[in-house]
Amino acid sequence: GAGVSQSPSNKVTEKGKDVELRCDPISGHTALYWYRQSLGQGLEFLIYFQGNSAPDKSGLPSDRFSAERTGGSVSTLTIQRTQQEDSAVYLCASSSSSGILDTQYFGPGTRLTVL
Amino acid sequence: AQTVTQSQPEMSVQEAETVTLSCTYDTSENNYYLFWYKQPPSRQMILVIRQEAYKQQNATENRFSVNFQKAAKSFSLKISDSQLGDTAMYFCAFIQTSGSRLTFGEGTQLTVNP
Repeated sequence: GAGVSQSPSNKVTEKGKDVELRCDPISGHTALYWYRQSLGQGLEFLIYFQGNSAPDKSGLPSDRFSAERTGGSVSTLTIQRTQQEDSAVYLCASSSSSGILDTQYFGPGTRLTVL
Repeated sequence: AQTVTQSQPEMSVQEAETVTLSCTYDTSENNYYLFWYKQPPSRQMILVIRQEAYKQQNATENRFSVNFQKAAKSFSLKISDSQLGDTAMYFCAFIQTSGSRLTFGEGTQLTVNP
């Protein structure tokens, strides 16, 4: 594909519902990242996948958040029992490896609104 | 833990003029990398420029350049000959050489006026 894609673009849900956000990285990229961007704030790291290694989940804010990456490609971020404070833009990025200077290419994000 | 601070929530500049965006950071690491990302209304984060901490020479990419002051832990972005398309949110970001996650500042909303 041409770039990182994310779906849906926007998601409105009710408090307490579960949501799934999808990320399709650039083909061949082995590293995948999820970030959260709350209103008026910078990006906050959530989770990182690199190849077949165990993911770095240290940024997940609570056990309601989980993510998986199937087949080393597509990733899904799941938020269970959503809360209003989960409202944010969720950005996914991928890079060709985990090298520091390997540019992280970002998708357009999913704007999540929890009512 | 590393922190990145952008003290200018909003800035504006006239088209064709020069503007400087400020960024400071705090780290105990000696080897790291710094980045400026641009986020237009489309929400797509785009890498503008990057700097390796071990390099004394300031990075330059066309109209974009940085003033990297390692001792002061300062990393400002200068945009010359500002264009309307430069209007965006600009984020300063840090990554340590032993890590993989980016730590971002709060962002500066830049508006270029015609």
